[in-house]
Amino acid sequence: TQLLEQSPQFLSIQEGENLTVYCNSSSVFSSLQWYRQEPGEGPVLLVTVVTGGEVKKLKRLTFQFGDARKDSSLHITAAQPGDTGLYLCAGYRTDSWGKLQFGAGTQVVVTP
Amino acid sequence: SAVISQKPSRDICQRGTSLTIQCQVDSQVTMMFWYRQQPGQSLTLIATANQGSEATYESGFVIDKFPISRPNLTFSTLTVSNMSPEDSSIYLCSAWAVGVQRGDTDTQYFGPGTRLTVL
Repeated sequence: TQLLEQSPQFLSIQEGENLTVYCNSSSVFSSLQWYRQEPGEGPVLLVTVVTGGEVKKLKRLTFQFGDARKDSSLHITAAQPGDTGLYLCAGYRTDSWGKLQFGAGTQVVVTP
Repeated sequence: SAVISQKPSRDICQRGTSLTIQCQVDSQVTMMFWYRQQPGQSLTLIATANQGSEATYESGFVIDKFPISRPNLTFSTLTVSNMSPEDSSIYLCSAWAVGVQRGDTDTQYFGPGTRLTVL
């Protein structure tokens, strides 16, 4: 089983601060996805990274895929209360077509 | 993209009863999945809903407990049978859409979930 380890599990910061969430695995993934989930909602896809070393930016969010395609990070600059949510990384399993393997998730709380 | 709706959004059920959750996608999709999620926790895959054949279950999940139907390419149901308080959770439906244009990546979309409480 391919495992994705996310850290930290919980992050509480003040508005305006920066934060980084990490997603690591001993396995190679063809792509990694980052989702954000708010209470009462399903996960919403933020980004997919495919190429080793790839960096993608989505406004104040920066996503990086490791060169070896085994790890990824999500960096939020100048966090805002609207960034509060559960952040999940996920990768497609190589043993079964279309199935996602999720990390444990990082609960981010941004207080005004 | 695909928009997914689920019914009911939440329910409170008695021990020993069954609940069927419906999942509707606004477009035809290649594959549909059912997940379980404890509040604030990650998602655990229950099974893959295969169109026209039996669902494929993950380790720890069985058909007698979680029967699944998928009669067409846009609809699926998950039944939680003979419920116990341990089944209290959020149940999520997802659909996987293969990238249809050059450069597209395959994308998995999620429904809003069904919050189940078993007393």
